[in-house]
Amino acid sequence: NAGVTQTPKFQVLKTGQSMTLQCAQDMNHEYMSWYRQDPGMGLRLIHYSVGAGITDQGEVPNGYNVSRSTTEDFPLRLLSAAPSQTSVYFCASSPLDRQETQYFGPGTRLLVL
Amino acid sequence: SQQGEEDPQALSIQEGENATMNCSYKTSINNLQWYRQNSGRGLVHLILIRSNEREKHSGRLRVTLDTSKKSSSLLITASRAADTASYFCATASGSARQLTFGSGTQLTVLP
Repeated sequence: NAGVTQTPKFQVLKTGQSMTLQCAQDMNHEYMSWYRQDPGMGLRLIHYSVGAGITDQGEVPNGYNVSRSTTEDFPLRLLSAAPSQTSVYFCASSPLDRQETQYFGPGTRLLVL
Repeated sequence: SQQGEEDPQALSIQEGENATMNCSYKTSINNLQWYRQNSGRGLVHLILIRSNEREKHSGRLRVTLDTSKKSSSLLITASRAADTASYFCATASGSARQLTFGSGTQLTVLP
C-alpha cells in the first residue's frame, strides 16, 4: 500500500490564484482530514470527512473548500489564495472504527506571495 | 484554539539518556495521543492512552495520564540519535472525530 499520498510537494502561488491540493489513500479509510501546520504551532484542523459525500468544517475552514466524491480522494481547494495561507498542509486518514489513530501524508508546502 | 501544550518547547540530550516531555490540556478528553514528526515529514502515530488508563508502555516509550491534573508525559528511555524529531500530543474529545494538537517539543539527541 502507498498509504496517504499528497501532491504537489511544494507550490508557489500569487495572491488571488486558486489551486487544489490533492490527497489520496489506498487503505479504504472512511475518515479523512486536512490540517495546516504553521511555525511553532501544532496542526490545526481545516476540514474533515467521514465518508463519500459527507464533509464538515474543522477549526480553521475559512478560505478552503473540500469535496469527497470517492472514498480514496479528498482534495482541498483554495479559491483565492492569501499570504496568510502560507503553510504546510497535511492530509490524514483513518478507519471509522479506529478513527483516533490517524495516518498522515508527507505534506504539501505552500507559499503564497 | 489549541488544546494541548507541550513542555519543554525544545530539549537537547545525549544519546543513552532518557527524554521526558509533558503535555497539558484544558478540557475533558476521550484519549490522548503522541505523534512524532521528523523534519520535513508527516506525523507518525506513537501511542494512544485512553482517559481511563493511567500508564501505557510501547517499547522504549512510556506514557502517563493524569486526568485530575489534565496532563500527560511521554518518556523515551535510552534515547538514540534517530529519536531526534518533534513530538506532539493530541487530544480527542466529544465524538472523537477531531484531534486537537499541541505546539510540540523539539527533541535533539546528540551522538
